[in-house]
Amino acid sequence: DAEITQSPRHKITETGRQVTLACHQTWNHNNMFWYRQDLGHGLRLIHYSYGVQDTNKGEVSDGYSVSRSNTEDLPLTLESAASSQTSVYFCASSESQGLSSSPLHFGNGTRLTVT
Amino acid sequence: AQSVTQLDSHVSVSEGTPVLLRCNYSSSYSPSLFWYVQHPNKGLQLLLKYTSAATLVKGINGFEAEFKKSETSFHLTKPSAHMSDAAEYFCVVRGAAGTALIFGKGTTLSVSS
Repeated sequence: DAEITQSPRHKITETGRQVTLACHQTWNHNNMFWYRQDLGHGLRLIHYSYGVQDTNKGEVSDGYSVSRSNTEDLPLTLESAASSQTSVYFCASSESQGLSSSPLHFGNGTRLTVT
Repeated sequence: AQSVTQLDSHVSVSEGTPVLLRCNYSSSYSPSLFWYVQHPNKGLQLLLKYTSAATLVKGINGFEAEFKKSETSFHLTKPSAHMSDAAEYFCVVRGAAGTALIFGKGTTLSVSS
């Protein structure tokens, strides 16, 4: 079955370190998204991509970057981790952007703690 | 611009009683609307979606939602709650094709025996 896999599941890092969270999907979806989930805020969009070499900023993109070199992967990089970036991060994918009704398929999340 | 408001942050029901989770939306376009469920330490799973077809949408696990344009609402209901329904529920809106989904802040559903 197709799936979307995030790694690692848990990560503890120190302030100022660069951290990369991996996301790999086998749905062959063009669209991929990164969200962070925080208590009281729901899910907020960090970055998204509509295809290879395409990246876009979301609602809370400061301090984060992504790159899309192939269809399957959208790694999320924290350039210099801050305590405010302690959160649970979810990767998601969906079909072509022309289908506004296409739902998201989510990974199981990465819990990141910045100390 | 699109936005979504979940009117209750926490709902508590007894097993076997009806569930009502409320959601209001705002959209400049004819919206696509979704409900997702998240069980502890899990990713989000699609419960149901509205895409301008029938206004009453049936989803998985006995849930359904009714799209009411005049009230800009998309409330989630279930006739009889089960213990396994205890989870976080998110109402989600997407506007024009190509725009990212906007999530509500979530409603925690607790089910007591």
